[in-house]
Amino acid sequence: DTGVSQDPRHKITKRGQNVTFRCDPISEHNRLYWYRQTLGQGPEFLTYFQNEAQLEKSRLLSDRFSAERPKGSFSTLEIQRTEQGDSAMYLCASSLATGRVSHGYTFGSGTRLTVV
Amino acid sequence: AQSVAQPEDQVNVAEGNPLTVKCTYSVSGNPYLFWYVQYPNRGLQFLLKYITGDNLVKGSYGFEAEFNKSQTSFHLKKPSALVSDSALYFCAVRVRGILTGGGNKLTFGTGTQLKVEL
Repeated sequence: DTGVSQDPRHKITKRGQNVTFRCDPISEHNRLYWYRQTLGQGPEFLTYFQNEAQLEKSRLLSDRFSAERPKGSFSTLEIQRTEQGDSAMYLCASSLATGRVSHGYTFGSGTRLTVV
Repeated sequence: AQSVAQPEDQVNVAEGNPLTVKCTYSVSGNPYLFWYVQYPNRGLQFLLKYITGDNLVKGSYGFEAEFNKSQTSFHLKKPSALVSDSALYFCAVRVRGILTGGGNKLTFGTGTQLKVEL
């Protein structure tokens, strides 16, 4: 499968615990995005990387959230001290950008987080 | 601020009939517009995009969309709906990033549930 892979597919955690999600983008894609989707809403932008550089973070990304893409390939999203409001689907997407043009986004199937 | 509006939470269509899913947008400058489809417990699948050029864009699975600059709309259409088209559809607009000068992230609408019945 050469698409965007996310792991795990589902995560149930107790409030206050830390969780980490992983995203493996399409190998030749240099941009990687994280979005969050809650029930009945469209995906909301969290952050994006170009290669290993994190170029933008949404105001939705509180201090408890951190994302990395250490080698410009896979990325991790960590949530510390989870709260019930963090329950959502976390989507990863990747794209190939040349110059200022991005040639379309490919989304993964998402990680569904439930905080109990 | 950039935004997308999908005024209908749900659209019901009989199989074989044409379908339209509405989308309007608000953005500074020229918009890049997208349609995605989402099946239950799945990620988003790309359908089509408008960047520039012909206002009528053709995409996957027989879908098309018409960009109308004066009405700031980008409605999704299909001449003949199938039961398998039943899914959640999202319109999105590309906006400029805060830290960089290029357009990067997508802003999505709240989605329209399409239900195609026999």
